[in-house]
Amino acid sequence: QQQVKQSPQSLIVQKGGISIINCAYENTAFDYFPWYQQFPGKGPALLIAIRPDVSEKKEGRFTISFNKSAKQFSLHIMDSQPGDSATYFCAASNSAGANNLFFGTGTRLTVIP
Amino acid sequence: EAQVTQNPRYLITVTGKKLTVTCSQNMNHEYMSWYRQDPGLGLRQIYYSMNVEVTDKGDVPEGYKVSRKEKRNFPLILESPSPNQTSLYFCASTSTGFASLAKNIQYFGAGTRLSVL
Repeated sequence: QQQVKQSPQSLIVQKGGISIINCAYENTAFDYFPWYQQFPGKGPALLIAIRPDVSEKKEGRFTISFNKSAKQFSLHIMDSQPGDSATYFCAASNSAGANNLFFGTGTRLTVIP
Repeated sequence: EAQVTQNPRYLITVTGKKLTVTCSQNMNHEYMSWYRQDPGLGLRQIYYSMNVEVTDKGDVPEGYKVSRKEKRNFPLILESPSPNQTSLYFCASTSTGFASLAKNIQYFGAGTRLSVL
């Protein structure tokens, strides 16, 4: 059973456009929501993360929007660049538990020049 | 430089031939884990370890073993590999502590692509 549902599976965006990836979860004990970025041939790397006490976290062109009541969170990439082309994974964990991260199934983003 | 090192990067083997994938981290992290990545399924945790001699099953532990005799090393063992274990494997090491978002970061190795024929 997938603890974190992610969509879309793939996404093609023009350079300069906005990329939006959505995730949803069921476990209300989750209190840490990171996004990981993975380039081909590399391991995932932390991109940005949020805790549920805020509704938005912005770092440069990357923003996480968090809706606690809907149990949804999303990644927005503003002014998308070809160098952003990668696979993105959302994840969630319960810091009071074993701290295991539950990952979404991933979104393959392609930014066309 | 903080890093997680996995070896080998690529491995082709045959059904039933025992193999070990090594993982080492230089960040003095207590928490380490193994994942497998398959198309359409994302990253699924195989085993994790919260400290030396403390290991536990993740979501997909069948057919795998691990050991944690030292803090820096966390090898993944396939006693009798089968074709359904053909996958991309990642070791990860986590900075624990919940005081800020700067912690709780999982650092991943570069991956081991395993093919079982």
